Amino acid sequence: DTAVSQTPKYLVTQMGNDKSIKCEQNLGHDTMYWYKQDSKKFLKIMFSYNNKELIINETVPNRFSPKSPDKAHLNLHINSLELGDSAVYFCASSPAGASGSSYEQYFGPGTRLTVT
Amino acid sequence: DQQVKQNSPSLSVQEGRISILNCDYTNSMFDYFLWYKKYPAEGPTFLISISSIKDKNEDGRFTVFLNKSAKHLSLHIVPSQPGDSAVYFCAMSSNYKLTFGKGTLLTVNP
Repeated sequence: DTAVSQTPKYLVTQMGNDKSIKCEQNLGHDTMYWYKQDSKKFLKIMFSYNNKELIINETVPNRFSPKSPDKAHLNLHINSLELGDSAVYFCASSPAGASGSSYEQYFGPGTRLTVT
Repeated sequence: DQQVKQNSPSLSVQEGRISILNCDYTNSMFDYFLWYKKYPAEGPTFLISISSIKDKNEDGRFTVFLNKSAKHLSLHIVPSQPGDSAVYFCAMSSNYKLTFGKGTLLTVNP
């Protein structure tokens, strides 16, 4: 019974294409996140949604657009893909509510995106 | 500007001995500190955490220590087991955001 799932696990595409990564959590959590792990292995937050509302939007190109149809799903759409977008993208969720800090976050298995 | 630093990219220990993983930070606003473990091709898995109002938290073989004056976090694993071999990330929380270190690859040799 997967807690946080992502599809696809691997994605190879050409520059200029548009692609989406889907994320679903069955933990009943209120908050979901997208992280990028680049070639230097740093895990950096990109976006966070709390109950379908965007609460964190880091300095990310506007080619990246998160969409949360409901609190169990947070999808990531990327337009006009560039070589530098190649990375592993992780979705995560946490029970954090509207106040207080995010504590334990539960991660999906990651999506390895390769842009050629 | 790295707010969270794990200065040791790798650590190798013998089974049964203690593993000590370290993390330094610069941001005084962090209020919760966590350790994650990551196996290849999997997402990070939460391991143990500590609030900024405490200096030690223990869970079985895992103990996390926080030295706020030195802005230093450490994870002790004792006794170390081969199954502990993984990349360990420290992470620090402020508001909704986790800031991660770069990770330390721990190898526990049988």
